[in-house]
Amino acid sequence: SQTIHQWPATLVQPVGSPLSLECTVEGTSNPNLYWYRQAAGRGLQLLFYSVGIGQISSEVPQNLSASRPQDRQFILSSKKLLLSDSGFYLCAWSVGTSGSEQYFGPGTRLTVT
Amino acid sequence: SQQGEEDPQALSIQEGENATMNCSYKTSINNLQWYRQNSGRGLVHLILIRSNEREKHSGRLRVTLDTSKKSSSLLITASRAADTASYFCATGSGNYQLIWGAGTKLIIKP
Repeated sequence: SQTIHQWPATLVQPVGSPLSLECTVEGTSNPNLYWYRQAAGRGLQLLFYSVGIGQISSEVPQNLSASRPQDRQFILSSKKLLLSDSGFYLCAWSVGTSGSEQYFGPGTRLTVT
Repeated sequence: SQQGEEDPQALSIQEGENATMNCSYKTSINNLQWYRQNSGRGLVHLILIRSNEREKHSGRLRVTLDTSKKSSSLLITASRAADTASYFCATGSGNYQLIWGAGTKLIIKP
């Protein structure tokens, strides 16, 4: 069966510090991978998605970046965090090309102080 | 960008009652999906209905889709305390992305 891991679960970082969040998927090959951000009590904002190694599409211009160094690994990074980067970050995977169902990790709660 | 709009934003009902949530969208779709999110957790996929389907059931869940009105409803019958969560609709339109609504927060009172 497929599983998706995200870490860390919670993170408190000062403004201006770097960020690295990691997501890995097991039990599937060549998944589509997604990074979302969710503000408290709000819906999902798609940040990045990837359909293959080294292929990253950015949806929102910001100080975040994403990389996919391996087929089942997706990394979200920042060189300098802003207060506005606080939120709940979710990684998800899917297969196929026609808006198929997505499967989510447990999320990372990021607080920038 | 947001396409789905859930209604109501919040719903509070007694345990055992039925809960109905609605979702409207703006463009043509291949499918519409419903997800549940417990507080502080990731989303869980509940059900997918394709654009050529009108109704689908899964356990206590019933989803309807009206493509002429660009709307869908999720009915949860015989609600339980464990159904307390936020529910999101999302539409798939033939590419890799889903377009998400803002969600309905459902509270089941014991």
